[in-house]
Amino acid sequence: GAVVSQHPSRVICKSGTSVKIECRSLDFQATTMFWYRQFPKQSLMLMATSNEGSKATYEQGVEKDKFLINHASLTLSTLTVTSAHPEDSSFYICSATGTDTQYFGPGTRLTVL
Amino acid sequence: EDQVTQSPEALRLQEGESSSLNCSYTVSGLRGLFWYRQDPGKGPEFLFTLYSAGEEKEKERLKATLTKKESFLHITAPKPEDSATYLCAVQVSNDYKLSFGAGTTVTVRA
Repeated sequence: GAVVSQHPSRVICKSGTSVKIECRSLDFQATTMFWYRQFPKQSLMLMATSNEGSKATYEQGVEKDKFLINHASLTLSTLTVTSAHPEDSSFYICSATGTDTQYFGPGTRLTVL
Repeated sequence: EDQVTQSPEALRLQEGESSSLNCSYTVSGLRGLFWYRQDPGKGPEFLFTLYSAGEEKEKERLKATLTKKESFLHITAPKPEDSATYLCAVQVSNDYKLSFGAGTTVTVRA
């Protein structure tokens, strides 16, 4: 149980384009989903918290107009990186929780050329 | 401000050589302390949650313990497949967010 999927697992795009990443909880209903960013050899940095049906809460320093989050249902949240630039290249990981424990997706490697 | 510090940064072990990883924390009101395992290029895999001082949990060769200031992850007779980065994270009482430590990268040689 407690499986979280992400799609796509890897994406390469040109600078200036937008990229959408999906996060799904497959076998439980997630009241809250989280989006993280991880740079090489560093730990996870929380970007935002999203609750189903309400606006996401962004961490300090994260541009909400750059990273659009939608949590349309109890099993799906999406992160859209708008007008991506090379500095947005990173490993993006989502997590989902129905209780205290966060279960993580496998991550999405974004490369912006 | 909540702080989570993991040590050592890296640990190289011979197969069968038991050792411990440390996670020290400073938070205002601990709700839970979590241990995850992360393999390269993958998302973290949940291992344990500890809620109160004195609590212990075990899974195969791993055992996690908790005091009021720190948690230990003991690896008993490790195998090469235990090689990974082990992450510690804390959750405070009024929030479901996790604050992560930098992790300990464990390498087990056959």
